Amino acid sequence: DAKTTQPPSMDCAEGRAANLPCNHSTISGNEYVYWYRQIHSQGPQYIIHGLKNNETNEMASLIITEDRKSSTLILPHATLRDTAVYYCIVRAGFKTIFGAGTRLFVKA
Amino acid sequence: GAVVSQHPSRVICKSGTSVKIECRSLDFQATTMFWYRQFPKQSLMLMATSNEGSKATYEQGVEKDKFLINHASLTLSTLTVTSAHPEDSSFYICSATLGEDSYEQYFGPGTRLTVT
Repeated sequence: DAKTTQPPSMDCAEGRAANLPCNHSTISGNEYVYWYRQIHSQGPQYIIHGLKNNETNEMASLIITEDRKSSTLILPHATLRDTAVYYCIVRAGFKTIFGAGTRLFVKA
Repeated sequence: GAVVSQHPSRVICKSGTSVKIECRSLDFQATTMFWYRQFPKQSLMLMATSNEGSKATYEQGVEKDKFLINHASLTLSTLTVTSAHPEDSSFYICSATLGEDSYEQYFGPGTRLTVT
C-alpha cells in the first residue's frame, strides 16, 4: 500500500472550515483514498473514501487532485468535537495501515 | 453503521499472567478481523489479520506465541496476551470487515491493558 504524508498538527477556529491535506504521490491506479479519525482513547471512525472523483457525505468532503497524488479532507464547519487525529490512508485491499496522521485542534 | 464491541474496555493484570480480549461484530458477520496495538501518542500498529476458521497472519515483528488470536466464529475474535509484561501495556483495538470486496472496516472502541 502507498505511503501518505500529512502535517503533524493543525489548528482551526470553531465554525470555520478545516482543510486537511494529504500527499500520496506513489498511489497506484486501484488504490482508494480513505480518511479516518480517532478521538482520544477511542477506536478510529470512518469518515469518507474515494477513488478519483470528489466525494461528499454528512461528515466531510474529499477532494482528490486529477493526478491523484494528493487529496484534501474538508470539514465544512468544524466544532470542538472534531478535535482528533485524522488519518489519510491509501489501500487497494482491506488491510488498513495507519501512518502518523494529523492532530487537528479546533479552538473556540 | 455496523457495530464492533470489545470486552473488557479496561483491564489490569499482574506481570506473568495472561489476559483475553474479545472482539465482537454485533450486527454483521465479519469474515476478517484485524488486531491493532497503540502506544501513547503513537499511531495504530497492525498486529495481525484473522480469518474465521483459519490461522491468523501476523505482521513482521509480532510474536505469534505471545499474542494468541482465535477467530472461531464470524462474529467473535479473541486476542490473548500470554505471560504479560509491563511493556505489553497498551491500547488494543480490533476491527472487522465483511471481506475483501467490502471497502468498509469497522473499528471497536479499544481495550486499555495495564500490566503491573
